[in-house]
Parts: sequence; C-alpha cells; structure tokens
Amino acid sequence: AQSVTQPDIHITVSEGASLELRCNYSYGATPYLFWYVQSPGQGLQLLLKYFSGDTLVQGIKGFEAEFKRSQSSFNLRKPSVHWSDAAEYFCAVGAPGTASKLTFGTGTRLQVTL
Amino acid sequence: DAGVIQSPRHEVTEMGQEVTLRCKPISGHDYLFWYRQTMMRGLELLIYFNNNVPIDDSGMPEDRFSAKMPNASFSTLKIQPSEPRDSAVYFCASSLRGAGSSYEQYFGPGTRLTVT
Repeated sequence: AQSVTQPDIHITVSEGASLELRCNYSYGATPYLFWYVQSPGQGLQLLLKYFSGDTLVQGIKGFEAEFKRSQSSFNLRKPSVHWSDAAEYFCAVGAPGTASKLTFGTGTRLQVTL
Repeated sequence: DAGVIQSPRHEVTEMGQEVTLRCKPISGHDYLFWYRQTMMRGLELLIYFNNNVPIDDSGMPEDRFSAKMPNASFSTLKIQPSEPRDSAVYFCASSLRGAGSSYEQYFGPGTRLTVT
C-alpha cells in the first residue's frame, strides 16, 4: 500500500527566508508525486507534480520540488517565502499511469512572520 | 470555467438528521472524488467515480454514508443518520483522464459540516 509521511506538522519562517518542506513516500515503484496547497477556508490547489524525467520540477508561485529515489523523498522548496505563502501544504502519491487514487500526507502548516 | 462547485458551503444539523452534500464537477471531467478532512485523520478519500460508476468506496466509513452520481454533472454524498463524529469538511474533486492527462485533481471549496 502506498503511504506518505510529512514529518513536520508546523513550520514558521521569516518572510524572505528559504523554505523546505519534507515529504517521504512508501511505494513499490516510482509513483506519481504531487504537492498541493490549501489556503484557509479553501480547497486544495496543485502546486506541482512529478511523473518521470527530470527529478527537479518547477511549479506555480515559485515553488520547486526534487524527487530523490534513493531517499524516497519529494521535498518542496522555495528560495524566498512571501507572507502570502502561509497555508497548509500536502504531499500526495498516486499509482503511476493512473493516479486515480491519491494518498495524501497529513500536511504541514506554514506560518510566515514579517 | 467555474471550477468544482459544492453546496452548501456550511451545514449545521442535529444528530440523527439526514444530510445531503452536493457536487458539480468540472464539465468534461470523467473522475469524481469525495474526501473528508478532519484534524484527527487528515484528508481521507471516501469514494471515487469514473464515468458515473463507483470504482472504490473502501473509504466510506459505514453504512450511514452513501454516494451517488446520477449523471456526469452531479453527485451527492448523503449521511443518514448523522452523528457528531461526522463533523468535518467534505471536499469534492474532479479530474480528467486520457491521453495527455495531467492527472491533476481539481478541488471544490468544501462543505463544512457540523453535527450537534
């Protein structure tokens, strides 16, 4: 069975600082990987996804993520955080070829201080 | 495009009452998903449909929960009878499969259900 672990429940960073949110997955092969963001009172929005190829993927809002097979990780990064990035971030894994059923991590809440 | 539409946005009901949540997926999407989000359990997939047919309902917590998709543009999630532990935010999402699919799930704004 596929699973996702986001070890950090809550992270606080200063505006302008760099950010890295951790995600580790468990799957028998290379899965499809996703990062979603949820602003308060809103649904989830896709930031980026990885299917194959280049292990560094670029997403919206200046985010990027790197797939590391050896570490079963798909960490999300941003070089300079803006106050508007404060939200909850979810990593998700899906079976390759279909991704019909996604398994989400428990989320990391990001707080940005000015 | 209007995106995924859910109604109502907020629902407060008393224990034992029937609750119906509604979802209109993005036009042309062939997959529809129902999720439940709580502080304790996070985001859980309840059930999903492909071309209006339920594919996997293993996440439905118990027989009090039922979901239907009578056509490609409408789905309901019903709880009967409701209990306080059903209080959560319920999300509907839709996606498009097929050649060139991005596999992205588009989420609605959610329905916040409170059962007293």
